[in-house]
Amino acid sequence: NAGVTQTPKFQVLKTGQSMTLQCAQDMNHEYMSWYRQDPGMGLRLIHYSVGAGITDQGEVPNGYNVSRSTTEDFPLRLLSAAPSQTSVYFCASSYEGFYTEAFFGQGTRLTVV
Amino acid sequence: GENVEQHPSTLSVQEGDSAVIKCTYSDSASNYFPWYKQELGKRPQLIIDIRSNVGEKKDQRIAVTLNKTAKHFSLHITETQPEDSAVYFCAASLWNNDMRFGAGTRLTVKP
Repeated sequence: NAGVTQTPKFQVLKTGQSMTLQCAQDMNHEYMSWYRQDPGMGLRLIHYSVGAGITDQGEVPNGYNVSRSTTEDFPLRLLSAAPSQTSVYFCASSYEGFYTEAFFGQGTRLTVV
Repeated sequence: GENVEQHPSTLSVQEGDSAVIKCTYSDSASNYFPWYKQELGKRPQLIIDIRSNVGEKKDQRIAVTLNKTAKHFSLHITETQPEDSAVYFCAASLWNNDMRFGAGTRLTVKP
């Protein structure tokens, strides 16, 4: 049972490049979400999904897109990377949304130069 | 939207002492309050949570209290051990469409 798996673990991008952070879970959770973690700011919600085909914006959605074509996968796309998007990104899944325990992936450290 | 403030940002205690971390939230409709522990370079993991219909919850050396009137909740760790050293995050959830985290508390337990 792998839980929540994120790839890659580390990534360096040049300003303006695009990329997709992958997230997969094998717990059959309906809810999935993406957070970014910056020093001194805790975790901030970027986008979330309550099930396949349904996504919504969180606190800091600008510059990011998501889609949810299957229950298992929830990729996060950076359309045109900016230095302000340098951060550690965590994907999470939960059984009953934000009202139950979130299981986090191991994180992706992204640097935009 | 919801705003969660967490204090202190750093906390250092001697092994065996107690540690208390406090959080306040702004939206009285928030109904779920989890605490996550994050060790260096690792993912956050839930250590305890409380829902708005409960005032206190304990799990061995860890307890959480909730004061809905004052809109604050606290994490209490008794008999601290070096392995309790980590960053602790509180969070508040507004039904199922928002989750806000505090900025974190770096706890150091000195042997």
